[in-house]
Amino acid sequence: IAGITQAPTSQILAAGRRMTLRCTQDMRHNAMYWYRQDLGLGLRLIHYSNTAGTTGKGEVPDGYSVSRANTDDFPLTLASAVPSQTSVYFCASSPSGRASYNEQFFGPGTRLTVL
Amino acid sequence: DQQVKQNSPSLSVQEGRISILNCDYTNSMFDYFLWYKKYPAEGPTFLISISSIKDKNEDGRFTVFLNKSAKHLSLHIVPSQPGDSAVYFCAAKATISSGSARQLTFGSGTQLTVLP
Repeated sequence: IAGITQAPTSQILAAGRRMTLRCTQDMRHNAMYWYRQDLGLGLRLIHYSNTAGTTGKGEVPDGYSVSRANTDDFPLTLASAVPSQTSVYFCASSPSGRASYNEQFFGPGTRLTVL
Repeated sequence: DQQVKQNSPSLSVQEGRISILNCDYTNSMFDYFLWYKKYPAEGPTFLISISSIKDKNEDGRFTVFLNKSAKHLSLHIVPSQPGDSAVYFCAAKATISSGSARQLTFGSGTQLTVLP
């Protein structure tokens, strides 16, 4: 593993189903993030975690939950998927969530379609 | 209401010429700005950043200019190359804030096409 991996690459899901998007990083970064990318809206933050054991809500957290049991993994769960959650989801990490000036590193994304 | 705006969804430039991508922001608390580049089917990658204590930062062919009074920043690519064709996202953060307000806010992106 090098950097950030996301799984699955893509998924078609029936509305009402539960889905977990996986994200793993091997850079020992403290902070991790989940974004969704929608046409005309750019990247919007769903949830973030400044360090293992803590999480916070971003701009669009409704319908999503996250956990951060360890440094490397940051899964995103849709408890009951709805069509408006059709999007491309990106996981990202940064060395520190508290440092002012550090860049974020992104995974390759998961394309999710909810029918 | 979007706090970071990229009003040009697309831009086409001839190879060798200058590409200028623009970004406007409304939140006066933003004091750190970044540009990300995204190819299709890949995640965004960091390109260049600038702190509000500067008005210019340069890295090779890429230069970012910040005009705090106008709440405007721009990315200049000189000379433009076909490999620069990608979506460019502007992002901003308020480093003195806490919690979710401290996180990056992204613009909607500009698709740059560099024609050979």
